[in-house]
This record gives sequence, structure tokens and C-alpha cells, in this order.
Amino acid sequence: DIQMTQSPSTLSASIGDRVTITCRASQDISHWLAWYQQKPGKAPNLLIYKASNLETGVPSRFSGSGSGTEFTLTISSLQSDDFATYFCQQYNILWTFGPGTKVEIK
Amino acid sequence: EVQLVQSGAEKKKPGESLRISCKISGFSFTNSWITWIRQTPGKGLEWVGRIDPSDSYTSYSPSFEGHVTISADKSTTTGYLQWASLQTSDSGMYYCARLRGTKIGTRVAPGEIDYWGQGTLVTVSS
Repeated sequence: DIQMTQSPSTLSASIGDRVTITCRASQDISHWLAWYQQKPGKAPNLLIYKASNLETGVPSRFSGSGSGTEFTLTISSLQSDDFATYFCQQYNILWTFGPGTKVEIK
Repeated sequence: EVQLVQSGAEKKKPGESLRISCKISGFSFTNSWITWIRQTPGKGLEWVGRIDPSDSYTSYSPSFEGHVTISADKSTTTGYLQWASLQTSDSGMYYCARLRGTKIGTRVAPGEIDYWGQGTLVTVSS
């Protein structure tokens, strides 16, 4: 099984801050990684696929990078709508999610 | 418009059977892959399994294999997740979702999740 970890588990930030979330895979997954945003009571929403590709309709302040075992999601300037929980997911072998990073208001 | 509309919340007792559904519209049912995801406060998001509705090929997470069954009805474009005998540990929010095709060399394989249902809350308690 491929295990996914994320850091930090919680992040406190202010509007306008640059925010970075890290995701690590227990083995090489090449670029087969997606990032999702989830708000309370809602299903997750796809932000980034294949590690660095921005999903259609997602604001350009979101970006993804990395390959192999280490990946990052960056929000260049945090907006009020971005306070949510973010999950990474590998799909190199089956599908596995990270535990999530909650972005809170500072 | 792409829609995945799931059946309503369920409250069941241990040992009972259950089937929840996911009605799909707005895209080709037989040219897609449908997956099921469970979310719980304790374990987060867990991949349950997937089905290719064109031939009913299924693949399951080792954590769920043998305990759940995924199926699809092409005539009604509906996917199903079912249990023959529920356990309290089956409680959680279950999402159906579409796996988008991704090109790997000359073939197309299921990749990231691009559309989700609204979720079905399953509560198993004596």
C-alpha cells in the first residue's frame, strides 16, 4: 500500500498570506498526484491534477509542484473562500488520500 | 450538466444488509469509471473501490474487498454500493465519484476524481 502524509495538519493564516502544504508518498508515484479542497458538509473539489495541472475553473492563486515522493500545494495569496481542508491523493497504484490539512483563520 | 445524485441517509443495525445508489447523468456512463469513497472522522478519506460500467470490471481496496460489492446498471445509469452484513465500523459518509480518464502511453486509465456525488451518510448502530 502507498501511504500519504501531509504537513502541517493545521495551518493558521491571514488573508493575503502565501500558504504552502506538503504531501509525501511512501514510494515513488511519479506525477500521479491530485489536490482537493473540502468545505464542511460538502464533497471535496478537485484543484490540481498530475501534480501541477490546474483544474479548469480553479483560481490561478492555487499551484502544485513536485514529483516522485514530495509534493506541495501553494496558495499565493490566501482569500476568505480558501479557509477549508486540503487533501492530497495519489493514483499511481490504486487511490490513497492524505490525512488532510485544515487552513484556519489566524 | 454532470450530476451524481446519491440516495438518502441510512440508519441500520449490525448484521443488516444495505444498498446505496448513485444516479449519474450528463456524461457517458459506459465511457467512465465510477468510484466510491468513504469519509470518517477517525480515518479520513478512504478509497473503497471502482467499477468500469462498460464491462462491470471492479477493483477494490484491500481494506474493503470481500465486505462490500460495487455494481452498475447501464439501463438506468446508476451505480451501487452494497453490504450483505453491516458492521458498526461501516458507519461513515460515502461518496460516489467519477474517475477521469488519463492517458498513459497509448492507453487511457482511470485517474483523478473530477466529479463527486453529494454523499450518503450510513449509520450502523445497535
